[in-house]
Amino acid sequence: DADVTQTPRNRITKTGKRIMLECSQTKGHDRMYWYRQDPGLGLRLIYYSFDVKDINKGEISDGYSVSRQAQAKFSLSLESAIPNQTALYFCATSDSGRGTDTQYFGPGTRLTVL
Amino acid sequence: AQTVTQSQPEMSVQEAETVTLSCTYDTSESDYYLFWYKQPPSRQMILVIRQEAYKQQNATENRFSVNFQKAAKSFSLKISDSQLGDAAMYFCAYRASRGGTYKYIFGTGTRLKVLA
Repeated sequence: DADVTQTPRNRITKTGKRIMLECSQTKGHDRMYWYRQDPGLGLRLIYYSFDVKDINKGEISDGYSVSRQAQAKFSLSLESAIPNQTALYFCATSDSGRGTDTQYFGPGTRLTVL
Repeated sequence: AQTVTQSQPEMSVQEAETVTLSCTYDTSESDYYLFWYKQPPSRQMILVIRQEAYKQQNATENRFSVNFQKAAKSFSLKISDSQLGDAAMYFCAYRASRGGTYKYIFGTGTRLKVLA
């Protein structure tokens, strides 16, 4: 079984709809992250959480919100989706107890906003 | 601000040959980590190799190795004996090592094609 899972894997929605992307991990990591990937732009950080009570904005948080329901679960919400939020979204986890704090990624969610 | 640059949008290599992907970065930090991630058509981001800046020895993982030139701020990935399964997007990433500077800075990626 995958260590980091994301649901759904693909989603098509309409402008103005609220949508939630979910991430779960079994790695026991304390840190979790949400990124979006756009062609030619690499990955950009939306939000990150160092533990259940610690949530921080990344470089492109406008239009997004997050919830850390448990150490293993971190969800990303788009309150009112717009077409330029069409992208590939990745959840990642890392362990602060390890020096390199290497991030491990989920399989991604392809979101299309019409 | 830190930046990561991958100047080769696309590269091709013949199967069984060797290819080198380039990555340069800019930072004022002295201690940091560097990573190469692979993204095959399945979309999954897979860690290929990582390098701690304080280590002079270049990291290696089977057919993958890096050429880390700290003074030049260069971190290239060499893939030996290329296989069809190596075809993917490759991303270089940087992370400062000091507490709180969690953030990964990613390059824009290099698409590697492997020719049979």
